Amino acid sequence: QKEVEQNSGPLSVPEGAIASLNCTYSDRGSQSFFWYRQYSGKSPELIMSIYSNGDKEDGRFTAQLNKASQYVSLLIRDSQPSDSATYLCAVNGGYQKVTFGIGTKLQVIP
Amino acid sequence: KAGVTQTPRYLIKTRGQQVTLSCSPISGHRSVSWYQQTPGQGLQFLFEYFSETQRNKGNFPGRFSGRQFSNSRSEMNVSTLELGDSALYLCASSSYGTGKETQYFGPGTRLLVL
Repeated sequence: QKEVEQNSGPLSVPEGAIASLNCTYSDRGSQSFFWYRQYSGKSPELIMSIYSNGDKEDGRFTAQLNKASQYVSLLIRDSQPSDSATYLCAVNGGYQKVTFGIGTKLQVIP
Repeated sequence: KAGVTQTPRYLIKTRGQQVTLSCSPISGHRSVSWYQQTPGQGLQFLFEYFSETQRNKGNFPGRFSGRQFSNSRSEMNVSTLELGDSALYLCASSSYGTGKETQYFGPGTRLLVL
């Protein structure tokens, strides 16, 4: 069973702090990794994608990938209350057969 | 460009009935994937279609089926509904479904089985 593991949280951070979200996956053949944000009652929206080892930065978001450790993370700098949402880690094993983690609920406290 | 649309948005059915959900992808997108989302299991992959062909299927019983039309619109059908089928059903589209493209999700259809 190909799995993606996330801590469901909630993860609470104060406004302005760095939020660190983590994800591990079991399929070593996975090639594409994504972080989606889902607000309550809404559908997921993509915030970051990463395909190779290392860091990828986009504004306040940094995705980190370590294929040897089968580990993906998302850092959110200067967290804002509007970042409060559930963050879904997704791993694509090919042809859009995407496996999602359960999601980590992030709460940013003003 | 219009986003992914799904109809209906809400649906109430009783056990044993069947249901058909519809998804219209973003114009030009040829890959459509379907997901089931429940609080306990999260987002689970149902199947993916590209150019009217099912390319991938998740671990769901045969009661769940789908199809894609020549205009890339897709439908999924659930027969003999069970209480556990109550969920948010999401479809997502992408250009070619290569695995590296962004998937854009529709607003979902919330199905309640009584």
